[in-house]
Amino acid sequence: DGGITQSPKYLFRKEGQNVTLSCEQNLNHDAMYWYRQDPGQGLRLIYYSQIVNDFQKGDIAEGYSVSREKKESFPLTVTSAQKNPTAFYLCASSNGGALLEQFFGPGTRLTVL
Amino acid sequence: GESVGLHLPTLSVQEGDNSIINCAYSNSASDYFIWYKQESGKGPQFIIDIRSNMDKRQGQRVTVLLNKTVKHLSLQIAATQPGDSAVYFCAERENSWGKLQFGAGTQVVVTP
Repeated sequence: DGGITQSPKYLFRKEGQNVTLSCEQNLNHDAMYWYRQDPGQGLRLIYYSQIVNDFQKGDIAEGYSVSREKKESFPLTVTSAQKNPTAFYLCASSNGGALLEQFFGPGTRLTVL
Repeated sequence: GESVGLHLPTLSVQEGDNSIINCAYSNSASDYFIWYKQESGKGPQFIIDIRSNMDKRQGQRVTVLLNKTVKHLSLQIAATQPGDSAVYFCAERENSWGKLQFGAGTQVVVTP
């Protein structure tokens, strides 16, 4: 099956620790995205990558970091600098050109204790 | 600033009735719009999209209408079913490559 996988589904961390969220896609998409969703709110863009070894900050990049060493993978690290990291994190991918739709993964719910 | 927003945060619909979810946008340069459905605890799922050179597009039980004059987008769901209960988001694409701006969402509750 083609799609996007995120792991783990639920993640708990202690305050002050860094944590890395996984995102993998086998859709052969060039672009990948990370969004944050807070209760009752829409999606806010953290980082995005249009091509391997390149990425750009989104609207709320502070306290986060990413890498794009492989086309299939776009891990997100939530650092201790992120003041309010508890949220639902969504990864998405899309192909350029005629196909504009973004496909989303199932999400990771991060809770900071 | 530019924004995408929804008029109604919660929409209660009786099973079998038609649903209409509205969305206002302010970026007149946006050329692509998309509706997503998100069930609790899951990632958003694509419903339907529309380009700015169209004013209507139909899918299976869903229709999206675009009124560029008043910068308004709507999603119509025919014969609403219990499985349609979810949060619905509209999003617009900026003129840069691949970035979507999402609205806050509308919670649709289908009652028997």
